[in-house]
Amino acid sequence: AQSVTQLDSQVPVFEEAPVELRCNYSSSVSVYLFWYVQYPNQGLQLLLKYLSGSTLVKGINGFEAEFNKSQTSFHLRKPSVHISDTAEYFCAVSENAGNMLTFGGGTRLMVKP
Amino acid sequence: DSGVTQTPKHLITATGQRVTLRCSPRSGDLSVYWYQQSLDQGLQFLIQYYNGEERAKGNILERFSAQQFPDLHSELNLSSLELGDSALYFCASSVGGAVNTEAFFGQGTRLTVV
Repeated sequence: AQSVTQLDSQVPVFEEAPVELRCNYSSSVSVYLFWYVQYPNQGLQLLLKYLSGSTLVKGINGFEAEFNKSQTSFHLRKPSVHISDTAEYFCAVSENAGNMLTFGGGTRLMVKP
Repeated sequence: DSGVTQTPKHLITATGQRVTLRCSPRSGDLSVYWYQQSLDQGLQFLIQYYNGEERAKGNILERFSAQQFPDLHSELNLSSLELGDSALYFCASSVGGAVNTEAFFGQGTRLTVV
C-alpha cells in the first residue's frame, strides 16, 4: 500500500531565503505525485504534479519539485520565499493512476520577515 | 474562489446524531471527491463519485455514506456520530474522473461533535 512521509512538520525560514520541503513515498508500482498548498481557513490548491516525463516539474507561485525514483522522493523547492507563502503544504501520491490520493501529514511553512 | 461550494461552513452536533454535508461542484465538473481532515488522522480520501456513480472508495466508515445527484451536487451523510468524527470535511471536483485531472477544493465544512 502506498504511503507518504513528510519529514518536517514545520519549517521556519526567513523571507527571500530558499526553502525545500521534503516528501518521500512508499510504493512498488508507478505513481503520480502531487503537491498541494492550504492557506489558513481555505481548501487545498494544487501547486504542481508529476505524471510522467521530465522529472523536474514547475508549478505555480515559483515552486518546483523533482521526482527521484531511486530515492522515492518528490521534494518541493522555491529559491526565494515570500511572507505570502506561509501555509501548510501537502504531498500526495496516487498509485497506478488510481483515483485515490494518499496524503502526507503536511509541512507548515512559516516565513518570517 | 475555487468554484466549489460547500454548505454549511460550520456544524455543531451531539454524539449519536446524523448530519448531511452538501457540495456543489464547479460548473461542468463531473467528478466529486470527499476528504476528511482531522488532527490525528491527517487528510484522508473518503470517496469519489463520477457522473452519479461511485468511482473510488477510501477510508470511509460504514456509518458514512455519500451520493451524487443528477444535477451533480453531492451529499455526505454521517450518522451515529462520535466525538472522533469531529473534523474538517472537504469536497473537491474535477472535470474528468481520473486523478490526473486537477481537482478543485471547496473551503470545507467544519464538523464539531460534542
